[in-house]
Amino acid sequence: DGGITQSPKYLFRKEGQNVTLSCEQNLNHDAMYWYRQDPGQGLRLIYYSQIVNDFQKGDIAEGYSVSREKKESFPLTVTSAQKNPTAFYLCASRTHGADGYTFGSGTRLTVV
Amino acid sequence: QKEVEQNSGPLSVPEGAIASLNCTYSDRGSQSFFWYRQYSGKSPELIMFIYSNGDKEDGRFTAQLNKASQYVSLLIRDSQPSDSATYLCAVMKGFQKLVFGTGTRLLVSP
Repeated sequence: DGGITQSPKYLFRKEGQNVTLSCEQNLNHDAMYWYRQDPGQGLRLIYYSQIVNDFQKGDIAEGYSVSREKKESFPLTVTSAQKNPTAFYLCASRTHGADGYTFGSGTRLTVV
Repeated sequence: QKEVEQNSGPLSVPEGAIASLNCTYSDRGSQSFFWYRQYSGKSPELIMFIYSNGDKEDGRFTAQLNKASQYVSLLIRDSQPSDSATYLCAVMKGFQKLVFGTGTRLLVSP
């Protein structure tokens, strides 16, 4: 089955720790995206990538980093510089010219 | 002014009624508009997209676009309790990325 796989589903981070969220797609989509969703809020764009080895900052990139070494993979690292990382993180992808995104099932990150 | 605005709700309708969800956007040059449904704790799923002024129908769902008024709406006919969810309006920006509203929570009572 084609789709987007995010892992882990739940993640707990200690203060001052970096964590990496995984996003893998087998849809052969060109573009990939990371969004953050806080309770009662819409989705806010963190980073996106249109092609391999290239990515752009979204609206709330501070405290996050990404890489796009393979078309299929777009991992997100939440660094210790992100002061309020507790949120629901969504990865999405689309092929150029397509209608809308396909979303992964999300990772819920909690700071403990 | 937010780029995409929605009333947070909740919008409560009885089963079988028509639910009307509204969205306004600020960028007059926007070309593509999307409605996503999101159940609690789940990821969004695409319901409808619309590019041209007027109505677009798909089953019980109708998307309406009025570019002059910068207004997009979603009508759900014969609403079912399973339609209870948050509905996110999204607008494509620069042909590259979607900008989302905060969503409208819909409650359909049996």
